[in-house]
Amino acid sequence: DAGVIQSPRHEVTEMGQEVTLRCKPISGHNSLFWYRQTMMRGLELLIYFNNNVPIDDSGMPEDRFSAKMPNASFSTLKIQPSEPRDSAVYFCASSLELNNEQFFGPGTRLTVL
Amino acid sequence: EDKVVQSPLSLVVHEGDTVTLNCSYEVTNFRSLLWYKQEKKAPTFLFMLTSSGIEKKSGRLSSILDKKELFSILNITATQTGDSAVYLCAVKSGTYKYIFGTGTRLKVLA
Repeated sequence: DAGVIQSPRHEVTEMGQEVTLRCKPISGHNSLFWYRQTMMRGLELLIYFNNNVPIDDSGMPEDRFSAKMPNASFSTLKIQPSEPRDSAVYFCASSLELNNEQFFGPGTRLTVL
Repeated sequence: EDKVVQSPLSLVVHEGDTVTLNCSYEVTNFRSLLWYKQEKKAPTFLFMLTSSGIEKKSGRLSSILDKKELFSILNITATQTGDSAVYLCAVKSGTYKYIFGTGTRLKVLA
């Protein structure tokens, strides 16, 4: 089992650029979660999907952030335009169902200069 | 506002010591409390607690939940350097919402 796959693992970009983070959940899992982690704020839940449908995006900080899940095996988190304060580690997690244990991917470390 | 508070923020102990990590919460619709261990990568699941007073154990780690006083503790006995990590507590509120604490950073010295 490959686990949750995220790409890229690291990204360094300049302020104003568009950033796209990618996630492949564990096969057969129906729920997918996007988190952001910083030293200041800890781990924050941004948005989650169930059966490819966004359920709650109240954690998304601003309109610059958007997430999609076009099919059961792929999701993207996009930041456009990016800002230095977006620098963080972004985790994707999946679970069999919404009520089940979540399995985390390795994260994408984003640095916006 | 839902919140999860962990204490202490950080802890340094020597190998062989026993540590107790605390997690208190205030949420509107408690469903479960989860503990995770995070080293230099993604969090890994440790325990899920839903009922008061029932201890969960896994090797040297154990955890218990008190739903009346709204807290949980995570105990680690005979600590080892490999236990050094950030320990995260999360509470599931309602069907879909997870609230994480900021974590306790544990360092175990040889």
